[in-house]
Amino acid sequence: DAKTTQPPSMDCAEGRAANLPCNHSTISGNEYVYWYRQIHSQGPQYIIHGLKNNETNEMASLIITEDRKSSTLILPHATLRDTAVYYCILHPTGTYKYIFGTGTRLKVLA
Amino acid sequence: GAVVSQHPSRVICKSGTSVKIECRSLDFQATTMFWYRQFPKQSLMLMATSNEGSKATYEQGVEKDKFLINHASLTLSTLTVTSAHPEDSSFYICSASHGGDYSPLHFGNGTRLTVT
Repeated sequence: DAKTTQPPSMDCAEGRAANLPCNHSTISGNEYVYWYRQIHSQGPQYIIHGLKNNETNEMASLIITEDRKSSTLILPHATLRDTAVYYCILHPTGTYKYIFGTGTRLKVLA
Repeated sequence: GAVVSQHPSRVICKSGTSVKIECRSLDFQATTMFWYRQFPKQSLMLMATSNEGSKATYEQGVEKDKFLINHASLTLSTLTVTSAHPEDSSFYICSASHGGDYSPLHFGNGTRLTVT
């Protein structure tokens, strides 16, 4: 079973920030949090990952709570092309066996 | 950046025939690749782990004789769906690691298999 829980769907107005939450209350000390997104009929696309510090790249920001039990992916200025299913995944220690949960279906509205 | 190429992107085959799907890491070597299956409006489900030069490791409930995996080189893994049936129709996606303990997995763009 997936070790993360996410809301099934969210809407966001174009140009506004999209904040996608993820709960991972059973995370282990050395597990990283990864975010991917899947646009319809394509393979998942890597977005960002982090361990305990907040991270930012050209696509998004990742905010991880101090206790590491939850995180939020922030798309600062959502566009219509950001409409996708977003997956929060824990990178298990010593393996790349990602277990995908159901993700959050983000719809960016014009 | 690291690129994983999957071929074909779409395939239609008749029931009872076999279909081969290729997954290539274009600019890096991948000792391990992963095969996923995704049904409509569902999440990705891990089928098997493909190890270069050795047998694949299958997840529980995945028939190894039906889904043959070959990982003969560091840049190529193949998935063959044998004696395909309509219920095998699905979206098959491969992925590979670029290397390093926590490098992100890179995914191919998937293969849409339709069995008629």
